[in-house]
Order: sequence, then structure tokens, then C-alpha cells
Amino acid sequence: GQQVQQSPASLVLQEGENAELQCNFSSTATQLQWFYQRPGGSLVSLLYNPSGTKHTGRLTSTTVTKERRSSLHISSSQITDSGTYFCAMGITGNTRKLIFGLGTTLQVQP
Amino acid sequence: DAGVTQTPRHEVAEKGQTIILKCEPVSGHNDLFWYRQTKIQGLELLSYFRSKSLMEDGGAFKDRFKAEMLNSSFSTLKIQPTEPKDSAVYLCASSHDRGGLREQYFGPGTRLTVL
Repeated sequence: GQQVQQSPASLVLQEGENAELQCNFSSTATQLQWFYQRPGGSLVSLLYNPSGTKHTGRLTSTTVTKERRSSLHISSSQITDSGTYFCAMGITGNTRKLIFGLGTTLQVQP
Repeated sequence: DAGVTQTPRHEVAEKGQTIILKCEPVSGHNDLFWYRQTKIQGLELLSYFRSKSLMEDGGAFKDRFKAEMLNSSFSTLKIQPTEPKDSAVYLCASSHDRGGLREQYFGPGTRLTVL
């Protein structure tokens, strides 16, 4: 089954509202990374946050490894924030691959 | 620093053709990954190299997909023969282990359409 679950699957906001994206993972993750993708675009790394709280600009990620969850908070959303946000985890062991969730599609309206 | 580069950006192939996709990782990164992205399956790992050695070869993709890394700054992904179901975006990523931290950086991708 899906080892990384993201919620909600989609989200529509008015410009200026805050967004809270959730990520739950089924194994103990040693790596946790949030990505952003515009339609037709590549994956842009937003935050690398295997544990604790990290900030960059209007983004805040909180990862609680023991509870197998991470969140991404977007404050004061802008129209240009529209796109898909992916959570990806790396697991313990010899592999260094990332396992991705299916993403949260965010649409910010004026 | 230059990021991950991929060529071509778009590829159109006829069913049964052989195509080769190319990737140059971030300079100094010793992990290189090939992923495939489709709307239905999402992002799936195809291959993973560490210091040029193949560490993982996605089981479902073994028969027609072959990734190679002949030197630390260049990798190829060959699909032979192509099938329409191979239509997808192929993404290359690289990372470097810094004290256990391994942030991955992705290239722009190659959008493959197989007719």
C-alpha cells in the first residue's frame, strides 16, 4: 500500500488565507522533504525537514518522526503558490531513494 | 552551482523505438536517481546509483529500462523498445550525504510521448 499519505488531495483558498498540508508515513522516516511542482514543471525542493520545525519565507514545516507525520504550513497564500505539493520520505537502510505521496493540489484564487 | 540538467526536455517516439535520456547531476553529488512520474502512479523510482554503482533497479522496470552511469557527472536511461505506456515525465535527481542529511535536487525532466 501507499507508504506516504497526503491530505487533503486538493485545496482551494482565497488569496491571503493560510494553508495546512499534512503528510503521514507508514515507516520510520530518516529523511523528509517537501517539494513543489507547477503544472508541467519540475520538482522544486521547498524544505528538507527530517525532524523538528523548519522555516523558509512563508513556509513552515513541522515533522514529528515518532508520530510519523509532517505538516507544511503556507501563510498568506498567493496566487503564485498554486500548484502541487509533494511530501517524500526516505527510510532507514541501504537505500537512499525517496518515496513520494500523491500530492496536494493547491489552487489560490484572487 | 549548476543544478541537475536533463536532455532532451521533450521526446516523441514511435512504438518499438529505442530512446536515450541524459542527466548530469549536481557537481560533487554522489547519489543519482531516475524517477518516472505519471498522473496515475505518481512518482516511482526507476534506478539509483551511489558513487556510480547501481544500488537499486526498480523491479517492475527492469526488462526494458536500463540506466547507466559511466562517470560521476553523467548518466543515461535507455528505454528499449518503447511502448505507449511509457509515456510519462522522466526525472533525474541527485544528492550528497552530509552527515546523514541527503536533500535531493531534481532536474527539469524529460517528457516522453510514445505513439
